[in-house]
Amino acid sequence: DGGITQSPKYLFRKEGQNVTLSCEQNLNHDAMYWYRQDPGQGLRLIYYSQIVNDFQKGDIAEGYSVSREKKESFPLTVTSAQKNPTAFYLCASSMDGPYSDEQFFGPGTRLTVL
Amino acid sequence: AQKVTQAQTEISVVEKEDVTLDCVYETRDTTYYLFWYKQPPSGELVFLIRRNSFDEQNEISGRYSWNFQKSTSSFNFTITASQVVDSAVYFCALSEANTGNQFYFGTGTSLTVIP
Repeated sequence: DGGITQSPKYLFRKEGQNVTLSCEQNLNHDAMYWYRQDPGQGLRLIYYSQIVNDFQKGDIAEGYSVSREKKESFPLTVTSAQKNPTAFYLCASSMDGPYSDEQFFGPGTRLTVL
Repeated sequence: AQKVTQAQTEISVVEKEDVTLDCVYETRDTTYYLFWYKQPPSGELVFLIRRNSFDEQNEISGRYSWNFQKSTSSFNFTITASQVVDSAVYFCALSEANTGNQFYFGTGTSLTVIP
């Protein structure tokens, strides 16, 4: 089945540690995105990538890093510089045509900093 | 400034009642796209509808309907004869042609349907 997978579903980390969240898609989509969701704040864009080996910062990129070495993969690293990393992280992908296509979302990763 | 406003934070209705979720957007682009997503308790966002700025026709899909009015910059979502399975958080989103595929999400409306 085509779709987006994120792993792990739940992640715990100690303060000061870096952690990497996985996102894989087999939809052959060009564009991929990372969002952070906090209660009452909706989704906020962290990073997005429209093509392999290229990515742009979103609204809240500080303390995060990404890579796009393969079309199907867009991992997100939450670094120790991120002041408040506990949140729900959602990965999405879309076609990158001339029109704004809908984004398809993965099941999310819930990160908790202990 | 918030580009998408969902003023209703939480709504509760009794099963079989109709409910309307409001969405107001702000943009200077003439070409833009509006979306609704549903987020059930499992967390994954489910796409419901996309509408472009040149198509103001209302749309109906089963118990769901959408009312797009450019004059009031609104894209409201109505669920008719609500069911318990409709309980979820619903997000409205805006994408502008000038910013490519970047989405601006509202803060969501949490709908609870009481049996």
